[in-house]
Amino acid sequence: DQQVKQNSPSLSVQEGRISILNCDYTNSMFDYFLWYKKYPAEGPTFLISISSIKDKNEDGRFTVFLNKSAKHLSLHIVPSQPGDSAVYFCAALNTRNTGKLIFGQGTTLQVKP
Amino acid sequence: GAGVSQSPRYKVAKRGQDVALRCDPISGHVSLFWYQQALGQGPEFLTYFQNEAQLDKSGLPSDRFFAERPEGSVSTLKIQRTQQEDSAVYLCASSLMLDTQYFGPGTRLTVL
Repeated sequence: DQQVKQNSPSLSVQEGRISILNCDYTNSMFDYFLWYKKYPAEGPTFLISISSIKDKNEDGRFTVFLNKSAKHLSLHIVPSQPGDSAVYFCAALNTRNTGKLIFGQGTTLQVKP
Repeated sequence: GAGVSQSPRYKVAKRGQDVALRCDPISGHVSLFWYQQALGQGPEFLTYFQNEAQLDKSGLPSDRFFAERPEGSVSTLKIQRTQQEDSAVYLCASSLMLDTQYFGPGTRLTVL
């Protein structure tokens, strides 16, 4: 039972354009969501998060949107840069539980120069 | 260093051997988590500590897996009698409370 799903295994965009990575979840008890970026042979690096009381959070080139009714969140990267090429994981958390993160399968983003 | 560190970074074990993986969390972080990541998948939760108390071990796949954090800082994940299906990257993460988790580089375990 996959509670967090990233249905696109890969995405390729041109440098300077927008990258949109999507994530869907099924558990309505999740109240905090995070995006991590992962390079090969490294651990996941925290990018940006959003609480369920918000519908948007922005940090520089990165914006996360949350649609609670659709149980959907997305990460927008504008403008995309070649250094953004990595695997991106969406993760969800129920802060009233033990705090364990439930991860999606990841989306590999390739930004072409 | 300011981040989470893990050792060893790579471990090769023969089937049946015991292994011990170490995690040094960010200083002052109360919460510590262990995850297992198989190739091509997202990390999967193994266990959670709040200080020295192991509050959730629901993700440990078998009784061959054991974790401890005796003084509320460094943690060790031990796998007894390793099997080939234990081959994975083992990630440790820490957080101040139950919020953003910061990950270490992971230990890649290969069981032959």
